[in-house]
Amino acid sequence: KQEVTQIPAALSVPEGENLVLNCSFTDSAIYNLQWFRQDPGKGLTSLLLIQSSQREQTSGRLNASLDKSSGRSTLYIAASQPGDSATYLCAVNSGYSTLTFGKGTMLLVSP
Amino acid sequence: DTGVSQNPRHKITKRGQNVTFRCDPISEHNRLYWYRQTLGQGPEFLTYFQNEAQLEKSRLLSDRFSAERPKGSFSTLEIQRTEQGDSAMYLCASSSVTGDSPQHFGDGTRLSIL
Repeated sequence: KQEVTQIPAALSVPEGENLVLNCSFTDSAIYNLQWFRQDPGKGLTSLLLIQSSQREQTSGRLNASLDKSSGRSTLYIAASQPGDSATYLCAVNSGYSTLTFGKGTMLLVSP
Repeated sequence: DTGVSQNPRHKITKRGQNVTFRCDPISEHNRLYWYRQTLGQGPEFLTYFQNEAQLEKSRLLSDRFSAERPKGSFSTLEIQRTEQGDSAMYLCASSSVTGDSPQHFGDGTRLSIL
């Protein structure tokens, strides 16, 4: 059974800092990995999707990397802003179409 | 592209009542998923459809839960004889069939059982 762990559970940083969120998964036989953002009381917004054959994906100030063999992914956020404050979720698709999620990292960026 | 739409946004009901949620996926997406999320947890998979066929159901989906997607477009999730433990956010997502397609989520229906 696939298990996904996200570290840290919560993170508080001042505006402008670069930061890294970590995601690990137990079964490396994955199809793809997706990073989401969730604002309080809202649904999930897809940020980046990395296929199992890819090493990284970039979108604006976000960069996600994938090391499938070691079961790890990182989400790098450059020059953080207060608007980045949200919960960030990592989800793994193990080839059965459904996603297995971690519990998320709650990020607070203070002005 | 109007995104995934879920109704109602909030539902408050008494224990023992039946509730039904609706999900309208992105129009060209033929896969539709239901997840449940409780406070402080990531979403957990409940069930998914490809067109009108329900292809997989989680063990979390007890006999009191039923999902349908009769014409391969919108979907409904019904919970019968609700229990306190059913209080959660119910999320719907959709995607196309191609393997590299991301899942797009709606804003969810928050269910509160009194």
